[in-house]
Amino acid sequence: EDKVVQSPLSLVVHEGDTVTLNCSYEVTNFRSLLWYKQEKKAPTFLFMLTSSGIEKKSGRLSSILDKKELSSILNITATQTGDSAIYLCAVDAQGGSEKLVFGKGTKLTVNP
Amino acid sequence: EAGVAQSPRYKIIEKRQSVAFWCNPISGHATLYWYQQILGQGPKLLIQFQNNGVVDDSQLPKDRFSAERLKGVDSTLKIQPAKLEDSAVYLCASSSGVWYEKLFFGSGTQLSVL
Repeated sequence: EDKVVQSPLSLVVHEGDTVTLNCSYEVTNFRSLLWYKQEKKAPTFLFMLTSSGIEKKSGRLSSILDKKELSSILNITATQTGDSAIYLCAVDAQGGSEKLVFGKGTKLTVNP
Repeated sequence: EAGVAQSPRYKIIEKRQSVAFWCNPISGHATLYWYQQILGQGPKLLIQFQNNGVVDDSQLPKDRFSAERLKGVDSTLKIQPAKLEDSAVYLCASSSGVWYEKLFFGSGTQLSVL
């Protein structure tokens, strides 16, 4: 059975801290790994990582895919209160049917 | 461009009642998804449409859930009869491309079954 595991499940930090969120996966026919930010209800796309694109960066956020360890990390530097959200990791597990398998998410709280 | 529209935003029903959710995807998006997100869990795919055909409904509890996408645009998801464990946020998403970076989610419908 395809599986995506995120850790930690929750994290509380102070503004300005740097955080690292983890995602590991066991899936058949890996095609891509995606990170989403979920504030309130609608997840919004952050990054997509593939075998040909294992590092992505956007402002204070960056992500790396470790194909050997079947894992990924999402780094957020100089955190702000607006970064408070649930961060979801998802893996495209079956390229043919385009099925996303999500982890449970990491709830990040950034206190002022 | 307009996003994925869903309604209603909230719904409270009693168990054994029926409920329906509506989704209007981004214009031109051929693929539409319904996800169920139980509190503390990640979204789980219920059904995927390509235009008005079903691509994947392997995780849809077909004894009580049904979905349709008439004319390949709007979609409705129905639960009949509802159970307590159906309490969740129901997310609709649509995409235009092959890669999931082109996937956009709606704001969801929060369902509470009492």
